[in-house]
Amino acid sequence: AQKVTQAQTEISVVEKEDVTLDCVYETRDTTYYLFWYKQPPSGELVFLIRRNSFDEQNEISGRYSWNFQKSTSSFNFTITASQVVDSAVYFCALAGGNKLVFGAGTILRVKS
Amino acid sequence: ETGVTQTPRHLVMGMTNKKSLKCEQHLGHNAMYWYKQSAKKPLELMFVYSLEERVENNSVPSRFSPECPNSSHLFLHLHTLQPEDSALYLCASSEGDRGLYGYTFGSGTRLTVV
Repeated sequence: AQKVTQAQTEISVVEKEDVTLDCVYETRDTTYYLFWYKQPPSGELVFLIRRNSFDEQNEISGRYSWNFQKSTSSFNFTITASQVVDSAVYFCALAGGNKLVFGAGTILRVKS
Repeated sequence: ETGVTQTPRHLVMGMTNKKSLKCEQHLGHNAMYWYKQSAKKPLELMFVYSLEERVENNSVPSRFSPECPNSSHLFLHLHTLQPEDSALYLCASSEGDRGLYGYTFGSGTRLTVV
């Protein structure tokens, strides 16, 4: 069975701090895909990134970076120099067997 | 119009009312989903439609009735709801029903049952 665990229910930081959101997954598939989504207060889940299981290169996109480590089954997400607009719920998700499985989400609050 | 569009954005209904939520996608996707998101709870997958056939129904009460007339439209018909059904209802679509390319979500309908 596939499972995604986001152990951090809620994180609060002050603007300009760096913050890392943890994601640990379980799957028996050898080919799978990992995702991060952002859900701002408006409600829509916004796609941030998709990685396949064969590509362990870390990725950086502006202030966002992702660290994929198969050895620890983790796909962590770091926001550098956080801003108030980063405040949202962030979901990690896994696709492999037959559907996309979401973690419970991490609420990020960035205070000015 | 691109993406996934949900209407209405907000809905307040009484327990005896009948209403419908609408979802429309113009992405050429062939799978569509309804999710329920309650306060402080994980996303709950309710229904999955693939090529207009319902392929998954996660023990959802019969007061929720989905309809997928074509690959671009998905409805959720509501009747005799309970206050605990108040939640954000999210529609999503994807290329294929395995989620390998991720889902595209709508903005959701925030439902309040009074």
